[in-house]
Amino acid sequence: AQKITQTQPGMFVQEKEAVTLDCTYDTSDPSYGLFWYKQPSSGEMIFLIYQGSYDQQNATEGRYSLNFQKARKSANLVISASQLGDSAMYFCAIKSRTNTDKLIFGTGTRLQVFP
Amino acid sequence: DSGVTQTPKHLITATGQRVTLRCSPRSGDLSVYWYQQSLDQGLQFLIQYYNGEERAKGNILERFSAQQFPDLHSELNLSSLELGDSALYFCASSGQGYQETQYFGPGTRLLVL
Repeated sequence: AQKITQTQPGMFVQEKEAVTLDCTYDTSDPSYGLFWYKQPSSGEMIFLIYQGSYDQQNATEGRYSLNFQKARKSANLVISASQLGDSAMYFCAIKSRTNTDKLIFGTGTRLQVFP
Repeated sequence: DSGVTQTPKHLITATGQRVTLRCSPRSGDLSVYWYQQSLDQGLQFLIQYYNGEERAKGNILERFSAQQFPDLHSELNLSSLELGDSALYFCASSGQGYQETQYFGPGTRLLVL
């Protein structure tokens, strides 16, 4: 079975600072993808960044980057230069070749950015 | 805008009733997924359709059913509603394969009174 663990229920960060949101995963499939989504208070799920299990480099997308440590089975999201608009819930998710295409989500981390 | 549309945005109904949630995937996406987000269960996969056929089932109750039509839009039918069915229901679409990103619609917020 696949599992995502997000151990930080809530995080605070000051505007313009960087923040790391933790995500560890468990899967026996060597072929998998890791995804991060942002859910603002309005409710929509916004895709942020993807990391494939065979990717040699850490994924980056603007202010978002992934600290992918395959041996440790972790895929932490780093948000640089935090903005007030980054305040939201952040979900880490996984899907694998052998587990159809469904996403398995973690419980999320609520990030609050303060001025 | 993800390109995935869902209607209605909000739905308020009574216990025992039946509702239909509708989803149109992004252009070109053959796969549609339904997820339920509730406070106690988190985000749970319900069901997947690929090009009109059911591909995978998750924690979907027997009172719930779904289908995908030839134009690829999908409907999720919830019947004999209970208070515990109150949740945010998402539709997502993607290409095929574990590397493909699922893009989510805005969700339908269902409140059962």
